[in-house]
Amino acid sequence: DVKVTQSSRYLVKRTGEKVFLECVQDMDHENMFWYRQDPGLGLRLIYFSYDVKMKEKGDIPEGYSVSREKKERFSLILESASTNQTSMYLCASSPSTGAAVYEQYFGPGTRLTVT
Amino acid sequence: AQTVTQSQPEMSVQEAETVTLSCTYDTSESDYYLFWYKQPPSRQMILVIRQEAYKQQNATENRFSVNFQKAAKSFSLKISDSQLGDAAMYFCAYGGATNKLIFGTGTLLAVQP
Repeated sequence: DVKVTQSSRYLVKRTGEKVFLECVQDMDHENMFWYRQDPGLGLRLIYFSYDVKMKEKGDIPEGYSVSREKKERFSLILESASTNQTSMYLCASSPSTGAAVYEQYFGPGTRLTVT
Repeated sequence: AQTVTQSQPEMSVQEAETVTLSCTYDTSESDYYLFWYKQPPSRQMILVIRQEAYKQQNATENRFSVNFQKAAKSFSLKISDSQLGDAAMYFCAYGGATNKLIFGTGTLLAVQP
C-alpha cells in the first residue's frame, strides 16, 4: 500500500519559532508538493520539488522554505512562525510521467497552530 | 491564469439518493486534465475520478461519474446511490501545462441516513 506520511498530526508552536514539517513517501515519486488548506480557500500550493535538491515556488511561498536532500523526503520550514501561518499543511507526491503527474498521493496533514 | 470555481460550499443528500456537485473552470489551454479529489473527515485525500479534456466520453468509476462540458468549461461530479462513507469534502482540480494542480475551494457533502 502506497504511503505518504507526515511527522506530526498536530503541532502547537509559538510566534517566532522555527518550525519543521517533514514528509516522507515510499513510492519512489519524483514530484513532491506542500499545500496549505484553509476553510473557504481550498488548497494552495506553497512549494514543490520535481527532483532531489530541486524546488520551485508555488502560489504562496512567502514565509516558507523547503528542503529536499533525499528523494523520499520533503521538508517545509517556517523560518519564523507567525499566527497567520496557523493552518492545515498537506504534503503530496506524484510520479513525473504523463497524466500521472496530477494523480497526487496525499499525506494525512499536519494541523499547525501558532500562538 | 487558470481558475477553478466550486459554487456550493455545502451540500446534503439522503442515503441511496443521487447528488451532483458542480465545478467550473477557466483556461485558455486546449490540453488539460480535470479531477475530483475526496477528503474524508480526518483522513487522507484521495483521487476519485479523472477526465482528459481530449476525450468526449465522460469518465465513470463505479458510483461516481462526471458530466464534462468542454465548451461550457463545466465539470460536475455525480454520486449515485449515496452511502454514508461518501460524506467528505470534495475538491475539483485542474491540471494543465504547468504540471501543477489548481484546486477549487471545495464542497462539503453530508449524507443523511
